[in-house]
Amino acid sequence: AQSVTQLGSHVSVSEGALVLLRCNYSSSVPPYLFWYVQYPNQGLQLLLKYTSAATLVKGINGFEAEFKKSETSFHLTKPSAHMSDAAEYFCAVSGSGGSYIPTFGRGTSLIVHP
Amino acid sequence: KAGVTQTPRYLIKTRGQQVTLSCSPISGHRSVSWYQQTPGQGLQFLFEYFSETQRNKGNFPGRFSGRQFSNSRSEMNVSTLELGDSALYLCASSPRPTTVSMYGYTFGSGTRLTVV
Repeated sequence: AQSVTQLGSHVSVSEGALVLLRCNYSSSVPPYLFWYVQYPNQGLQLLLKYTSAATLVKGINGFEAEFKKSETSFHLTKPSAHMSDAAEYFCAVSGSGGSYIPTFGRGTSLIVHP
Repeated sequence: KAGVTQTPRYLIKTRGQQVTLSCSPISGHRSVSWYQQTPGQGLQFLFEYFSETQRNKGNFPGRFSGRQFSNSRSEMNVSTLELGDSALYLCASSPRPTTVSMYGYTFGSGTRLTVV
């Protein structure tokens, strides 16, 4: 079975500071990994995905994530936070255990202070 | 290119009633999945439809059902509503079922259901 753990239900940063959102997965085989963002009263939007090509993946809005197999992690980072980055972020894993249906983490709410 | 369209956006229903939610996927996407999102449980998979057939089903009671039409539009129905059914219901589309692993979903904005 595949599972995803997002450490920290809330992360608070100042505008201009580094953003680090943590995601660890449990999978018996190298999975497909995703980060989605959800703004208030909207659906989820795909930020970036890892599909076994480069381990450092660049996404939209300046976000990137690094796949580390040894740590079973796929943490999301952004060098400098903007107020507009305030949203809920979800990590998801797919393709493990014979299932292509994604399993989502519980989400991390990013709060950006001026 | 139009996105995934869900209607209605907001709905208030009384316990015991039934409700039908609609989803139109992106043009060319033939796979439609439904998720329930609540603060307590997060995102939970309801079911997936492709070519008018249910391909996968999550762990929800039989009160939750769905269908897909020949134009790939999908509906989900919840009968005998309970207070705990209050949630954001999200529809997600992909070209085909297995492409979700490679390319991810495109989500709609959701239907906010409140049961009173």
